[in-house]
Amino acid sequence: EAQVTQNPRYLITVTGKKLTVTCSQNMNHEYMSWYRQDPGLGLRQIYYSMNVEVTDKGDVPEGYKVSRKEKRNFPLILESPSPNQTSLYFCASSDIGNEQFFGPGTRLTVL
Amino acid sequence: GESVGLHLPTLSVQEGDNSIINCAYSNSASDYFIWYKQESGKGPQFIIDIRSNMDKRQGQRVTVLLNKTVKHLSLQIAATQPGDSAVYFCADRGGYNKLIFGAGTRLAVHP
Repeated sequence: EAQVTQNPRYLITVTGKKLTVTCSQNMNHEYMSWYRQDPGLGLRQIYYSMNVEVTDKGDVPEGYKVSRKEKRNFPLILESPSPNQTSLYFCASSDIGNEQFFGPGTRLTVL
Repeated sequence: GESVGLHLPTLSVQEGDNSIINCAYSNSASDYFIWYKQESGKGPQFIIDIRSNMDKRQGQRVTVLLNKTVKHLSLQIAATQPGDSAVYFCADRGGYNKLIFGAGTRLAVHP
């Protein structure tokens, strides 16, 4: 089944404790992206990647890092999480120019 | 700046009625638009898309209309069903395959 998977689905952590949210897609898509979703703000892009070893900042990249060592994986790294990063996070992938497929989401709470 | 907005945050309809969800965009160079449906606890799910060389596209029970003159698009759902209850987002593709999302419209279907 074609899908985007994210892990973990739910995470509660404390300020400053490094964490990684994994994202994997099995559709051989070149493009992958991370979004955060906050009430009333829709989805805002954090980082994106056009291909392996090619990443770039989206609209809200501060406090986040990403890497794209393999085509299928695009982990999101929070080196020192803060409470304002409490949010719902979505990973997405697509062929360039076509619709993006979204993962199920990761709900992160930073205390 | 570029933005995508929605006219109403909440839309309530009776089961069986037709629903119309509206969206405005600001970038006249946008060439691709997508409607997503997000059910509670899930990631956005692709519904239908339209490219700027079209003004109408139909799917199963859904129609998207694009008016480039006034930079407006709408999603029409025929014979709305309880399973259509969700938040609907329009998205506009900007540069580098980036999607710019509106804040969303919540569709509530009443029996």
